[in-house]
Amino acid sequence: QSVLTQPPSASGTPGQRVTISCSGSSSNIGSNTVEWYLQFPGTAPKLLIYSNNQRPSGVPDRFSGSKSGTSASLAISGLQSEDEAGYYCAAWDDSLKSYVFGTGTKVSVL
Amino acid sequence: QVQLQESGPGLVKASETLSLTCTVSGGSISGYYWSWVRQPPGKALEWLGHIYYTGRTNYNPSLKSRVSISEDTSKNQFSLRLNSVTAADTAVYYCARSGHIYGADALDIWGQGTMVTVS
Repeated sequence: QSVLTQPPSASGTPGQRVTISCSGSSSNIGSNTVEWYLQFPGTAPKLLIYSNNQRPSGVPDRFSGSKSGTSASLAISGLQSEDEAGYYCAAWDDSLKSYVFGTGTKVSVL
Repeated sequence: QVQLQESGPGLVKASETLSLTCTVSGGSISGYYWSWVRQPPGKALEWLGHIYYTGRTNYNPSLKSRVSISEDTSKNQFSLRLNSVTAADTAVYYCARSGHIYGADALDIWGQGTMVTVS
C-alpha cells in the first residue's frame, strides 16, 4: 500500500557507490521534501537525510540525497560492510494528507 | 537527550482495541509533532498518524475510521488507539517525533518499538 516505489534490493562491493531510487508523484515528492531512513534488523529506523539532501549531525558525508521532479535518490559512496541495512524514503502527501513511506530497499555488501 | 518509550499490551484479541502509550522523557511535548509508525513482520514502514502538541491530528486515510491519537501534556505522553483489530494489525509499533530543526515531517527521534500480536 506504499505510494513511494523503491527497488527491493541493491548491492555492491566495499568501496563502491550504490544508488537507491524512490519514485512518487506530484502530490508527494513533487510537492514536498524527501526524507531517508536507515533501519538495521530488529532496531528502530534512524533519520539519514532530511529536506531532500541534508544530513543530520553525525551522519557521514558518504550518504547523499537528491530530488528531481517526482523522484528522489539516495547514494552511498565508499560502501562499507556496516551499511548493510534497510533504507526507506518518505514524504508528506498533500492529497492523502498523510506521511508516506517507500517500499524499502535492502542493501547488501558483497 | 529526548527519549521515547512505548508501552502497552503485547497481545490483543481480534476485534478488540489496541492501546499504546508513548512516554516522552528528557524534553517537552510542546512544539512538536508526535507520530505512530508500524511495521508488520518482514514488511515496510507504515505511518499511522500524528498529533501536534496543540491537539491537532492527521491520520493515514487507510486507517482513519479505526485510529485515534491523543495526548496528555501533564504526563508528557501521547497515545494510540486502534479499533477492531485483525491479524493484519500485528506489527512492531513505534512512536516518533518530528517538527524539530530538521523540518515538520522528518522523524528524528524514535522509540525502540513494541511488538503487538493480534490473536
